[in-house]
Amino acid sequence: AQSVTQLDSQVPVFEEAPVELRCNYSSSVSVYLFWYVQYPNQGLQLLLKYLSGSTLVESINGFEAEFNKSQTSFHLRKPSVHISDTAEYFCAVSEGTGGFKTIFGAGTRLFVKA
Amino acid sequence: DTAVSQTPKYLVTQMGNDKSIKCEQNLGHDTMYWYKQDSKKFLKIMFSYNNKELIINETVPNRFSPKSPDKAHLNLHINSLELGDSAVYFCASSQLDRGEQYFGPGTRLTVT
Repeated sequence: AQSVTQLDSQVPVFEEAPVELRCNYSSSVSVYLFWYVQYPNQGLQLLLKYLSGSTLVESINGFEAEFNKSQTSFHLRKPSVHISDTAEYFCAVSEGTGGFKTIFGAGTRLFVKA
Repeated sequence: DTAVSQTPKYLVTQMGNDKSIKCEQNLGHDTMYWYKQDSKKFLKIMFSYNNKELIINETVPNRFSPKSPDKAHLNLHINSLELGDSAVYFCASSQLDRGEQYFGPGTRLTVT
């Protein structure tokens, strides 16, 4: 059975500093991997996804994540964060074609301080 | 245009009542979901429908009954509401072979 572990429940960081949000998964088959972001009082929005191909994927707002099959990880990074990046970040994994059932991690609260 | 919409946004009700939450998507997706997010932000899937057919039914009390009248709508009816049902409920949709899901804004249910 698939599972997702987000190793940090909260990550405080100063503005313009780099950040890494960690995500590990377990699955016996090939997986699709996602990062979603949830701003206060809103629904989740897709940040980036890995389906196949290049193991490094990027979002339009400067985040990137790298799929590491040997370490079963999909860590999210940003070289310089902004106050507006403060949000809850969820790593998610789905097996096979990506439909049906997606398992979400417990979330990491990124708090960017001025 | 809102891609995935839910009504109502807030729902405050007393224990024992019956309530419904409606969800509509205009993305042309073939799969829709209901999730429950608790106070610690933990997100748990409840149901999933593909082309109006139930394909995922997690261990959810049978007081919860989803209904999908067509591919664009997935409603959630809850009978005999309990205090533990208080949470934010999210509807989402996806195209089955794409994987990524599009979420509605959520319905905050408070049972008193």
